[in-house]
Amino acid sequence: GQQVMQIPQYQHVQEGEDFTTYCNSSTTLSNIQWYKQRPGGHPVFLIQLVKSGEVKKQKRLTFQFGEAKKNSSLHITATQTTDVGTYFCAGRNSGGYQKVTFGTGTKLQVIP
Amino acid sequence: DVKVTQSSRYLVKRTGEKVFLECVQDMDHENMFWYRQDPGLGLRLIYFSYDVKMKEKGDIPEGYSVSREKKERFSLILESASTNQTSMYLCASSSGSINQPQHFGDGTRLSIL
Repeated sequence: GQQVMQIPQYQHVQEGEDFTTYCNSSTTLSNIQWYKQRPGGHPVFLIQLVKSGEVKKQKRLTFQFGEAKKNSSLHITATQTTDVGTYFCAGRNSGGYQKVTFGTGTKLQVIP
Repeated sequence: DVKVTQSSRYLVKRTGEKVFLECVQDMDHENMFWYRQDPGLGLRLIYFSYDVKMKEKGDIPEGYSVSREKKERFSLILESASTNQTSMYLCASSSGSINQPQHFGDGTRLSIL
């Protein structure tokens, strides 16, 4: 079945440093979504990418979808303590109803 | 705002018990999902439903069943709880249009003793 891996599993950064998490799928995706889960909270939708090579920005967050639609990345510029949490990607196969496969997640810790 | 409500935040049950986890959403969403979340494994899909009385197996359905008798409610059933089912269980819903985001409940932390 489809597998979605994320690296790294954990990342500690000093406040102000940049952070990137990478998402890799074993199959081609029709789209990819990104979610953020704060400590003790539930995943919250951030953004969706659909087109090959698509790049979207949300303030300090930059999301990319690979040309082959098998990988994606989330880059945070100048991290802040509010960025702490676990970031998940979630990919949907073509024709897969509403089922998405979530990645393993990257837990970000920001040191003040 | 979409509200997805899970019946219990914490639950402790014994091995062999039949366990019911309830989830209700208030946005008339067609799709509902049950995941379990374990450290290092991310969110793994147990079952999902895209309509009343319809259900589809996810990636790890063994030991679980589901019920969707009403559109707003999706129940997860552990037929005979085992210790390896100790986990955080998350319910989510989304509207019927493809590519719509999922909205999650706060989760139920289930411990099987």
